Amino acid sequence: GAVVSQHPSWVICKSGTSVKIECRSLDFQATTMFWYRQFPKQSLMLMATSNEGSKATYEQGVEKDKFLINHASLTLSTLTVTSAHPEDSSFYICSAKKASPADTQYFGPGTRLTVL
Amino acid sequence: GQSLEQPSEVTAVEGAIVQINCTYQTSGFYGLSWYQQHDGGAPTFLSYNGLDGLEETGRFSSFLSRSDSYGYLLLQELQMKDSASYFCAVRAPYGQNFVFGPGTRLSVLP
Repeated sequence: GAVVSQHPSWVICKSGTSVKIECRSLDFQATTMFWYRQFPKQSLMLMATSNEGSKATYEQGVEKDKFLINHASLTLSTLTVTSAHPEDSSFYICSAKKASPADTQYFGPGTRLTVL
Repeated sequence: GQSLEQPSEVTAVEGAIVQINCTYQTSGFYGLSWYQQHDGGAPTFLSYNGLDGLEETGRFSSFLSRSDSYGYLLLQELQMKDSASYFCAVRAPYGQNFVFGPGTRLSVLP
């Protein structure tokens, strides 16, 4: 199997606070994990690529100081939304890539963030 | 860069067959994938085509023509539970991430 979990599944926070989202590959090792953001009725937009043991690679327009990514082990990556604001409210989804088949990503269930 | 096009919406009735097309422009090509996403859920992998031709997985099939930069997802014997958004995706040539199409929202009517 290839199961990816995310925690929490939903979070509501006040503006200005920080929120940490965890992404875990439960039954395989993932050297690479991806963080996506999805607004209602829109496609998934890649925010950053997270590699175990190295700095994340951020997509253009994504603030690395606001969206902190840590890939501490082969099964865990975290995304921290710092000083969250209402415009950060979105659906955040992580995915993990297995070594084989090479072009398959396994997605976590997503985290719905609402910033008041 | 990469860009993909899909129809925004498709409607069909239960038991019917529907085809969702995807055209792409990429600076390098490593195959076309299809994902299904129900409202409020995460995308789930459906199919992958690395070479030209048809891949069949149960009621779902996917086709690729690299010369035409075109692929489609074919859903047969539609069921109400197939109502969802369907995304085609290609892998970025210099990275490992995927670029997703805009998605096609399929509505299956009774």
